Amino acid sequence: DAEITQSPRHKITETGRQVTLACHQTWNHNNMFWYRQDLGHGLRLIHYSYGVQDTNKGEVSDGYSVSRSNTEDLPLTLESAASSQTSVYFCASSISNTGELFFGEGSRLTVL
Amino acid sequence: SQQGEEDPQALSIQEGENATMNCSYKTSINNLQWYRQNSGRGLVHLILIRSNEREKHSGRLRVTLDTSKKSSSLLITASRAADTASYFCATDSGAGSYQLTFGKGTKLSVIP
Repeated sequence: DAEITQSPRHKITETGRQVTLACHQTWNHNNMFWYRQDLGHGLRLIHYSYGVQDTNKGEVSDGYSVSRSNTEDLPLTLESAASSQTSVYFCASSISNTGELFFGEGSRLTVL
Repeated sequence: SQQGEEDPQALSIQEGENATMNCSYKTSINNLQWYRQNSGRGLVHLILIRSNEREKHSGRLRVTLDTSKKSSSLLITASRAADTASYFCATDSGAGSYQLTFGKGTKLSVIP
């Protein structure tokens, strides 16, 4: 079955370190998204991509970057992790003509 | 900033009762979607209602949309303990956009 997987599911890192969260989908969806979920804020969009080589900033993109070299993967990189980036991160993908999102199970990141 | 805002923030009901959650949004939309999130899991798409639709049904779910009031409601009939989860509404930002903006969610507890 087609799916969307995130790794790692849990990670603890230190302030200032670079961290990359992986997202891989097998649906061949053009659109991919990264959200973070925090208590009191709901889900907020970090970055999104509408296809290979396309990336766009979302509402809370500062301190994050993404790259899209193929259809299946959209890795999220924290260049220099900060404690404010402690959160649960969700990757999602969608078919262009419906907008329905398919979510991964999330990656819980703790920055000490 | 959040486009959709759910109300109430938390809801506790007995099994068999109906649960109603509301969502208000601020700007014009193409469609509105509802998602469900079980504790510790990713979000799962429940139902999508387009801006030209007023009501939609899916199993025990009934969604209404009032574009003049910029509001939507999700009704879960004959609730079950397994319906215990957080429910989120999500809106797009207009024509040609596949980004979704999520509200903060309603946490539903169904007591057996």
